[in-house]
This record gives sequence, C-alpha cells and structure tokens, in this order.
Amino acid sequence: EADIYQTPRYLVIGTGKKITLECSQTMGHDKMYWYQQDPGMELHLIHYSYGVNSTEKGDLSSESTVSRIRTEHFPLTLESARPSHTSQYLCASSTSGGAYEQYFGPGTRLTVT
Amino acid sequence: AQSVTQLGSHVSVSEGALVLLRCNYSSSVPPYLFWYVQYPNQGLQLLLKYTSAATLVKGINGFEAEFKKSETSFHLTKPSAHMSDAAEYFCAVESGGSNYKLTFGKGTLLTVNP
Repeated sequence: EADIYQTPRYLVIGTGKKITLECSQTMGHDKMYWYQQDPGMELHLIHYSYGVNSTEKGDLSSESTVSRIRTEHFPLTLESARPSHTSQYLCASSTSGGAYEQYFGPGTRLTVT
Repeated sequence: AQSVTQLGSHVSVSEGALVLLRCNYSSSVPPYLFWYVQYPNQGLQLLLKYTSAATLVKGINGFEAEFKKSETSFHLTKPSAHMSDAAEYFCAVESGGSNYKLTFGKGTLLTVNP
C-alpha cells in the first residue's frame, strides 16, 4: 500500500503570508510530483522531481517553488500567498520501474483570504 | 504529444445499472493507461492500469477497462453501480518519452441515484 502524506490537510491564510505545504513518502520512490487542482477540475502538473537535488517546472506555470533535499520529502513553498493561489494541491510519487503509476497523497486545500 | 479525452464530464446512473465511462487517448507509441478515482476532499486512488499485457484489465471495486488500440480507447466499466461508486474518475496516459509524467483527462463525475 502506498504511503504518502501531506500536511496540513486544510489551510486558511491571509494574503502576503509565506506558506510551505509538506509532502512525504515512505516508499523510497525517486520521483515526486505536485499538482494543482481546482474543485471539480482536471489536474495540472506544477512541479516534479526525479531524485534528490533534481526539480523541474511542470506544464502549468506556478509562483511556487519546491526543493528535494531528501528522497522522502518534497515540500512546496509560496513566498507570498495571494487569493489566486486558492486551490487544492496534490502530491504524488512513483518508481522508475513498472508502468510508472503515481501514488497520491490526500491533498492540501489552501484558501488565501 | 499525448492527450486524453474523457467524453462526458458528468454521468448519472441508477444503482444496479451498468457504469460506462469513456476515455480516448492519443499517443505516438504504445501507452501505459490508468484509471484513477477521487472521492471528495481526497487524493487520487489507482483503480487499474494497462501495461501492454492483457487488453482487458480488472481493477479494484469491481471495475474493469478494455484497451482497444484500433479505437485508441480505454473505457471503464462496472456491471452494477453501487452508491459508494459516486466519485470523480480520471483517465491518464503515460507514453514513454514523457519522462515519467502522466497526462490526465478532465475527469468524469459519476452520480449514482437510488
């Protein structure tokens, strides 16, 4: 069973605040991903990582940044939150072998007021 | 470039009726295909995957999907809908060369009526 965790699950924060969304996985997966999903909408890839010290921007431009200092940890940071950042953020991981299926965390629902 | 089209953003069925969710893909190479389910306020859960073995793939919760290369389709079915099947369903494709990235469809919301 996949074990991937995201905290916080829900966050309401004021404009201009710096926030970090945490994502950790215990499966030793080398690849990790961040998606942004508006309610009832499709997923948009905003960041991904192929391993430690490797990060790339995804298909959807995002003002957020990510880091990958440890295999199991892939945090996402917003330096100055804005209402346009209100969304659900989903973290996922996958291995290099097999069919590359991704395993998802429960998500963080962010509301910026 | 690969893409996924899910026909019907919303499908409504009665409990006990057949569930059919449609997915068509485009890919220049043989793909890996996936169906995920998302319940409210949760992440995505893998239902099933096609990896070029059997064309009929069985997944969890009684769902199955059939890969049809000639139709570039990977439709999801379940013979008898249950109330607990109400959720959002996403089809996704990975077709080599994409650097391990999945391309997702826009999703289909399944409603099950009593």
